[in-house]
Amino acid sequence: EDQVTQSPEALRLQEGESSSLNCSYTVSGLRGLFWYRQDPGKGPEFLFTLYSAGEEKEKERLKATLTKKESFLHITAPKPEDSATYLCAVQGGNTPLVFGKGTRLSVIA
Amino acid sequence: ETGVTQTPRHLVMGMTNKKSLKCEQHLGHNAMYWYKQSAKKPLELMFVYNFKEQTENNSVPSRFSPECPNSSHLFLHLHTLQPEDSALYLCASGSGSPYGYTFGSGTRLTVV
Repeated sequence: EDQVTQSPEALRLQEGESSSLNCSYTVSGLRGLFWYRQDPGKGPEFLFTLYSAGEEKEKERLKATLTKKESFLHITAPKPEDSATYLCAVQGGNTPLVFGKGTRLSVIA
Repeated sequence: ETGVTQTPRHLVMGMTNKKSLKCEQHLGHNAMYWYKQSAKKPLELMFVYNFKEQTENNSVPSRFSPECPNSSHLFLHLHTLQPEDSALYLCASGSGSPYGYTFGSGTRLTVV
């Protein structure tokens, strides 16, 4: 059974204080690992897809990396507008995406 | 606009009511999904439709009844719900693209 565990559950950062979010996973035949951002009262919004160990993707202050067992979402010099819940999901074979519980990030000015 | 539209955005219903949630996508995707999102829990997959055919029912109680009349529209019919069914119900569509799924903004359901 595919599983995703995200840590920490919540993270509070000062503006400019870089940090990383963790996503540990088990999946049969990884087809893709996905990162989403979700703002309160809204649906998840796509950020990145990673396919194989060693792959990295970047977008503004965010960088996602992937190993065979986990993925990290690195946030460099965050701003208050980066505050959101970040969701990780995996897809194995032709099965639907399986999501973690998310990390709730708060960036304080 | 995300490309997936859900209505209504908020819904309060009594346990004896019958209501329906609607989802519409014009992205040309062939698959549509219903997810339930509750506090402190991961998104729970409820139903999957591929080319209008239901391909997955994740042990969802019969008080939730999905309908997919065509590949652009998806409904979730609700009847005799329980207070623990209160949650954010998310619709998503996908086509096996590298972007995963596109989600709607959800319907916040409160059962009283």
